[in-house]
Amino acid sequence: DTEVTQTPKHLVMGMTNKKSLKCEQHMGHRAMYWYKQKAKKPPELMFVYSYEKLSINESVPSRFSPECPNSSLLNLHLHALQPEDSALYLCASSQVHLAGGKETQYFGPGTRLLVL
Amino acid sequence: DAKTTQPNSMESNEEEPVHLPCNHSTISGTDYIHWYRQLPSQGPEYVIHGLTSNVNNRMASLAIAEDRKSSTLILHRATLRDAAVYYCILRDPGGTSYGKLTFGQGTILTVHP
Repeated sequence: DTEVTQTPKHLVMGMTNKKSLKCEQHMGHRAMYWYKQKAKKPPELMFVYSYEKLSINESVPSRFSPECPNSSLLNLHLHALQPEDSALYLCASSQVHLAGGKETQYFGPGTRLLVL
Repeated sequence: DAKTTQPNSMESNEEEPVHLPCNHSTISGTDYIHWYRQLPSQGPEYVIHGLTSNVNNRMASLAIAEDRKSSTLILHRATLRDAAVYYCILRDPGGTSYGKLTFGQGTILTVHP
């Protein structure tokens, strides 16, 4: 099974709402990633978790709060977002972080977020 | 991070070979060359990667120039399902960028029936 699942597929939220995005993989991967993709732009890395610990934060605003409760799950908690945060949020996983540049990342289908 | 340059778009006919170029003149000796593609309304998908030698897998072939300053992704017989954005990415195995995939603008491939 090489699948990364993400829920929900679509999400509409107001600027005062709190919501969470969920990502799950059962490939035994110990590195998990959040990317943000604006329309017609390439994905941009937000966070990297390695062995359930936050490894990279690409200077993401604190209204985005990641969480990795176990090696299979990755959450992204959203609070007080702005309309410009509307985007496709992609989750990915890989076998191991820092694998010499050879490891491949498996991506989920993404959650399309609209902030009103 | 070393940068890559790809054409904005390319077109192909179905069942014909497609050669997608990528320039990476500032590549370091340890950078791996990765290719991902993103089909419409989907997340990116790994295609192939290599370091120095040409590589083949069930999806595509990767031809790497002898000086490693450029590479070409080859789809041997394009199908309509190959229409996607193709990203050429350099992966540094060390330094501060490890674990990151830094996507460039990519090449939009259109396949005509």
